[in-house]
Amino acid sequence: EPEVTQTPSHQVTQMGQEVILRCVPISNHLYFYWYRQILGQKVEFLVSFYNNEISEKSEIFDDQFSVERPDGSNFTLKIRSTKLEDSAMYFCASSRDREGAFFGQGTRLTVV
Amino acid sequence: TQLLEQSPQFLSIQEGENLTVYCNSSSVFSSLQWYRQEPGEGPVLLVTVVTGGEVKKLKRLTFQFGDARKDSSLHITAAQPGDTGLYLCAGVRGTYKYIFGTGTRLKVLA
Repeated sequence: EPEVTQTPSHQVTQMGQEVILRCVPISNHLYFYWYRQILGQKVEFLVSFYNNEISEKSEIFDDQFSVERPDGSNFTLKIRSTKLEDSAMYFCASSRDREGAFFGQGTRLTVV
Repeated sequence: TQLLEQSPQFLSIQEGENLTVYCNSSSVFSSLQWYRQEPGEGPVLLVTVVTGGEVKKLKRLTFQFGDARKDSSLHITAAQPGDTGLYLCAGVRGTYKYIFGTGTRLKVLA
């Protein structure tokens, strides 16, 4: 069964460093998303991406964040200068339409 | 803010009992999804409801979308320990943005 895959599963980084989280969405999906979940809290929307551009972003998704689809398969989230409060699980998701998004297993980002 | 409130927040029941989880909002959604999430993993899609009043069944789970498409419920019949997990509703409004609810943490005791 097709699935969304994310790498790495766990990333530890120093505060102020740049990180890139990688995702391979399901191949025939057109919409791509990044969400994050701070430990014990709700799943928060960061950004949606369609037709090679951002279609919507949340207040969390400030200038420190960027997304890219560098080729036909990968979808990346870059955090330019990480802060302690960026520590969270980051989930990539993809969907074909509004019938539901399929999530990856997540990347646990720890900023120290 | 398109807030989706779930109730109850926590639920601990005995195996074999029935339960209902609610997902409420003041906003109208074009569709609504239910997910289940295990610790350390991503949410797994259970069902999507699209039409107001729609009812869908998945084995012992029954999902209903409110007539006005602002709320939904998940009913589990004869709960089993394997049903333990975090249940999340998520609504789609306008563009393809899934807004997640606050979650219901279910524990089914053997």
